[in-house]
Amino acid sequence: EAGVAQSPRYKIIEKRQSVAFWCNPISGHATLYWYQQILGQGPKLLIQFQNNGVVDDSQLPKDRFSAERLKGVDSTLKIQPAKLEDSAVYLCASSKGQGGTDTQYFGPGTRLTVL
Amino acid sequence: GQNIDQPTEMTATEGAIVQINCTYQTSGFNGLFWYQQHAGEAPTFLSYNVLDGLEEKGRFSSFLSRSKGYSYLLLKELQMKDSASYLCAVRSNAGKSTFGDGTTLTVKP
Repeated sequence: EAGVAQSPRYKIIEKRQSVAFWCNPISGHATLYWYQQILGQGPKLLIQFQNNGVVDDSQLPKDRFSAERLKGVDSTLKIQPAKLEDSAVYLCASSKGQGGTDTQYFGPGTRLTVL
Repeated sequence: GQNIDQPTEMTATEGAIVQINCTYQTSGFNGLFWYQQHAGEAPTFLSYNVLDGLEEKGRFSSFLSRSKGYSYLLLKELQMKDSASYLCAVRSNAGKSTFGDGTTLTVKP
């Protein structure tokens, strides 16, 4: 079974530029998550989708971050414009559902450096 | 909201046993997960507890006490490859998972 795919793996941009990340979840997984992980910290949930609907985006900085999951499969996360503090690893994860036993499986992440 | 606390760093010797603690405060508990994360890699699932007690899986065991808001991950017969960050995560009734900042374990020969 293929895992969660993400691209690109690395991205370096200057502040105020825009960037987009792509995620393809495990086939059949209804729930998709985007996390931001700053060095030395745990993953912080940015947005959670159930199929193509948003379940939680309470920690998404909506003035600069946006995400969509058209057709309930692939998802993109965009930052526009980027700030220095956005330098982090952006992890995508998926799970079959949102139930207590539904394990999240993580992709390899995109390491973003904002200069 | 949810608040999770775990030690920042631990060191242990190859072949020994180590216990990594996690305490949490949450409104609406629906399970606790432990993940392993090697440097530069994504987290991988280790264990899940929703009822009180001990869950054993090979060299790794995880314990939960819901009344105390407490869990621990026990690693036996430590190997060098167990050097990694161990993340405690709590899931709410709404299906949202909150992660702790992780415990970096260093295994020495």
